[in-house]
Amino acid sequence: SQQGEEDPQALSIQEGENATMNCSYKTSINNLQWYRQNSGRGLVHLILIRSNEREKHSGRLRVTLDTSKKSSSLLITASRAADTASYFCATSGGYNKLIFGAGTRLAVHP
Amino acid sequence: NAGVTQTPKFRVLKTGQSMTLLCAQDMNHEYMYWYRQDPGMGLRLIHYSVGEGTTAKGEVPDGYNVSRLKKQNFLLGLESAAPSQTSVYFCASSYSMVSGARHTEAFFGQGTRLTVV
Repeated sequence: SQQGEEDPQALSIQEGENATMNCSYKTSINNLQWYRQNSGRGLVHLILIRSNEREKHSGRLRVTLDTSKKSSSLLITASRAADTASYFCATSGGYNKLIFGAGTRLAVHP
Repeated sequence: NAGVTQTPKFRVLKTGQSMTLLCAQDMNHEYMYWYRQDPGMGLRLIHYSVGEGTTAKGEVPDGYNVSRLKKQNFLLGLESAAPSQTSVYFCASSYSMVSGARHTEAFFGQGTRLTVV
């Protein structure tokens, strides 16, 4: 079964705007990871946040984690057309087995 | 450094045929995984391995078998393909220790698009 819901399912913005995607999950976690998938390609790891962390930054990416609400958010600042992709959150349990959400499809228009 | 390589990239099978998907990683990762991705859904774990010679079932293991005879390779077999196994299959690997630090992010192959008719 899917771990949880991602919100929104699809997001369309203009270049330069910020994009925020949310993820909820159901079980306790070791860490939560965000991945990006370009159409027809494999997934690429973006950022990992551990269960004892609340916020993490990597370049234009900012991830927050609220374990009391079992939710996470991914913020992409100053988006570019090249950011167009699907974004997935995944929770990690034992042996780094990943449980994915259904993803958010992001379209960034020039 | 190729990362994770999957073969083949595309395949069409007839119902009842068998095939093996190959996955190879060159990052000395301990853990390897097979996922499937269906339209509008995230990836679901089929089987995984935490080391050479070990395998375990994931969320959707029925109709699949796996083997990990060498650390760098993880094979996914379909003994008797069914239309419900039409999907995109992804192999992934993770977990290594480098200079005492654990690295747990997963690296994915480019996928195998399988159609069963």
